Amino acid sequence: AQSVAQPEDQVNVAEGNPLTVKCTYSVSGNPYLFWYVQYPNRGLQFLLKYITGDNLVKGSYGFEAEFNKSQTSFHLKKPSALVSDSALYFCAVRVFSGGYNKLIFGAGTRLAVHP
Amino acid sequence: EAQVTQNPRYLITVTGKKLTVTCSQNMNHEYMSWYRQDPGLGLRQIYYSMNVEVTDKGDVPEGYKVSRKEKRNFPLILESPSPNQTSLYFCASSPPTGGADGANVLTFGAGSRLTVL
Repeated sequence: AQSVAQPEDQVNVAEGNPLTVKCTYSVSGNPYLFWYVQYPNRGLQFLLKYITGDNLVKGSYGFEAEFNKSQTSFHLKKPSALVSDSALYFCAVRVFSGGYNKLIFGAGTRLAVHP
Repeated sequence: EAQVTQNPRYLITVTGKKLTVTCSQNMNHEYMSWYRQDPGLGLRQIYYSMNVEVTDKGDVPEGYKVSRKEKRNFPLILESPSPNQTSLYFCASSPPTGGADGANVLTFGAGSRLTVL
């Protein structure tokens, strides 16, 4: 079955330290992968996507993600975390189902950045 | 400003009392979709619409209805709400979902928190 998994419910990191939020996927064919962020009382916002090309994708707010085909992973990273990065992060993969393309979302990972 | 607007943002209702959550987008997007967000389950798709008068079921459509009479509006209707429909609901839109670049970059509304007693 096609799916996306975020193995950590919560990630805690100190401000200024690097952060990683993990995502693994299972799809047939070449994956289209996305990261979205949800701040409190807000809708989800697009961060970045991988379609093809360079395995390291850069996105908004200094975030980047590394596509690893052999490990079927698309981990979100940032070199130096900010308290304002604290939010809920969703990984998503595009699948072809029922005759159209749709996104399947992971369960989400809550990132807490401590001062 | 390009946006998706949902109303109401918060609603407490009782079992069986019909309600409608409205969704409107100003980006002339063809594709619109409703999701519900529940702890530990992420976002699950309820219904989607590829264009005006074209709607179809998502993964969890039971107990919901939608309509798409105009391109900008995509209301979610709960004919007889039940407590298991207590959730956070999101409407989203995007350009057509076919193709590569730009496909499936969804714009989300701010969410509607619904409580059914």
